[in-house]
Amino acid sequence: EVQLVESGGGLVQPGGSLRLSCAASAFTFSNYAMNWVRQAPGKGLEWVSTISSGGSTYYADSVKGRFTISRDNSRNTLYLQMNNVRAEDTAVYYCATGAPHTGNYYVLDCWGQGTLVTVSS
Amino acid sequence: DIVMTQSPDSLAVSLGERATINCKSSQNVLYSSNNKNYFAWYQQKPGQPPKLLIYWASTRESGVPDRFSGSGSGADFTLTISSLQAEDVAIYYCQQYYTSPPTFGQGTKLEIK
Repeated sequence: EVQLVESGGGLVQPGGSLRLSCAASAFTFSNYAMNWVRQAPGKGLEWVSTISSGGSTYYADSVKGRFTISRDNSRNTLYLQMNNVRAEDTAVYYCATGAPHTGNYYVLDCWGQGTLVTVSS
Repeated sequence: DIVMTQSPDSLAVSLGERATINCKSSQNVLYSSNNKNYFAWYQQKPGQPPKLLIYWASTRESGVPDRFSGSGSGADFTLTISSLQAEDVAIYYCQQYYTSPPTFGQGTKLEIK
């Protein structure tokens, strides 16, 4: 069974940094586009970033220049480096696979349970 | 960015009855070259991550019960649950993936009447 497990969330001060990880198992990680999607407390879903199987990266304007998505296919792990964080970055961060059977990065068919990032002084 | 607007914001339906959720996009998400609508529906139950229900506007994801169906084209879409079950209580989100950034609707909360 496909499994995605996020880690690395926690409390961080405004302007600080945090690195999220997403450990993948039970599928050929290197063949999949991967995404980060966030959900502020009590709010809806917001796409954050995507990395293709080939390493191309895409970002929401709200995080461009501050967040960096990357992947280590040898470790089956996805990362999100978050720098210069703001209060509005407070959210549960989910990693999700791009559904390969749709041929589209942004159709999100498997999701982790999420990790909470709280930005506060 | 394409704005997705769902209606209603919340909905209460009796068990066994039909539930209908609508979603309108601020621009067309039908790609004329392949006649596909770049549109999906997700279900999020309390305390859980979202789950993909439908993509290409009307294709049910594997394992999704056939009481869930998607319809519509262009800029107007509908999710229908033909006979509401207790386990369908959730928030439902629409999404367009026609252009980057992919965007979601604000969500529709579905409850039992």
